Amino acid sequence: NAGVTQTPKFQVLKTGQSMTLQCAQDMNHNSMYWYRQDPGMGLRLIYYSASEGTTDKGEVPNGYNVSRLNKREFSLRLESAAPSQTSVYFCASKVSDAPGELFFGEGSRLTVL
Amino acid sequence: GENVEQHPSTLSVQEGDSAVIKCTYSDSASNYFPWYKQELGKGPQLIIDIRSNVGEKKDQRIAVTLNKTAKHFSLHITETQPEDSAVYFCAASIVRGSQGNLIFGKGTKLSVKP
Repeated sequence: NAGVTQTPKFQVLKTGQSMTLQCAQDMNHNSMYWYRQDPGMGLRLIYYSASEGTTDKGEVPNGYNVSRLNKREFSLRLESAAPSQTSVYFCASKVSDAPGELFFGEGSRLTVL
Repeated sequence: GENVEQHPSTLSVQEGDSAVIKCTYSDSASNYFPWYKQELGKGPQLIIDIRSNVGEKKDQRIAVTLNKTAKHFSLHITETQPEDSAVYFCAASIVRGSQGNLIFGKGTKLSVKP
């Protein structure tokens, strides 16, 4: 049982390049989330998908897009990367959109030069 | 919107001592308050949570207390061990319709010295 799997674990981009972070969960969860973690800032919600077929903005959505490909997969895309998007990105999932335990992946460290 | 303040940002204790981390929240409609532990290089993991209809919850060496009137909640770790060293995050759940998105505090780095 892998839980939440993120790829890639590390990535270096140049300003203006695009990339997609992939996330998959094998727990049959309905809700999936993308957070970013910056030093001294905690975890901030970028986008979420309460259920398959729906996506919504979180606290810091600017510069990102998401796709809920199916129930298992939720990808995060940076269309034109900026240095301010240098961060560690975490995908998470939970059973439903009601308050409950979030299960996190191990993170993807992105550096934008 | 909801805001969660967490203190202290760093905490150093001797093995065997207790550690207390405190959080305050702003949205009185919040009703779910989890605590996550993040070890180096890993994703956060839930260690304990409390809902607003309960004032205190305990699980072995960890406990959480909630004061809804004052809008604050605390994590208590007793008999600390070196493996408790990690970053701890509190969070509060915004209630908006059926959505329960978490707002996290900025974290507390706990160091337990042997």
